[in-house]
Amino acid sequence: DQQVKQNSPSLSVQEGRISILNCDYTNSMFDYFLWYKKYPAEGPTFLISISSIKDKNEDGRFTVFLNKSAKHLSLHIVPSQPGDSAVYFCAASRDNDMRFGAGTRLTVKP
Amino acid sequence: NAGVTQTPKFQVLKTGQSMTLQCAQDMNHNSMYWYRQDPGMGLRLIYYSASEGTTDKGEVPNGYNVSRLNKREFSLRLESAAPSQTSVYFCASRAQGRSNSPLHFGNGTRLTVT
Repeated sequence: DQQVKQNSPSLSVQEGRISILNCDYTNSMFDYFLWYKKYPAEGPTFLISISSIKDKNEDGRFTVFLNKSAKHLSLHIVPSQPGDSAVYFCAASRDNDMRFGAGTRLTVKP
Repeated sequence: NAGVTQTPKFQVLKTGQSMTLQCAQDMNHNSMYWYRQDPGMGLRLIYYSASEGTTDKGEVPNGYNVSRLNKREFSLRLESAAPSQTSVYFCASRAQGRSNSPLHFGNGTRLTVT
């Protein structure tokens, strides 16, 4: 059972515009949510996270929003840059249990 | 500072062969993990070790065994490889097995079983 879902396999945006990546989860026991970025032939790297008791966390161009009632989170990248082109994984965590979505491939066109 | 190192990077096995994937971290992390990544499935947890001397099953443990050799090293063994185990395997570590502690990943081992 996939407890974390990223329903968009790919997203293409123009440089300078906003990228919005979405993620849904089913288990309300998760208490932390994280986004990872992955380039080809490399492992995922941590990008940003949010606690379940918050609804927004911002770090530079990256903002994560959490809607607990809808069990939905999103990652906003503003402005998008060509170097942001990568696969983005959403993850939900409780203690040692960290579940990942299938990933969204973001392409930022110059 | 190497972080998490995985060997080998690539491996091709025949069905029924065995092999061990090696992982070592130099960040003095307590917890270590093995994930597999398959198209459309994301990363799925195979086994983890919350601390030296302990191991536990994840979502997809069947067909695998692990050994936490010491604090630095966590190996994954396939005793009798099957084509369904063709995947990219990632080792990861984190300071503590707590929700807000992010994982640090190695660069993966791409395994093909024919």
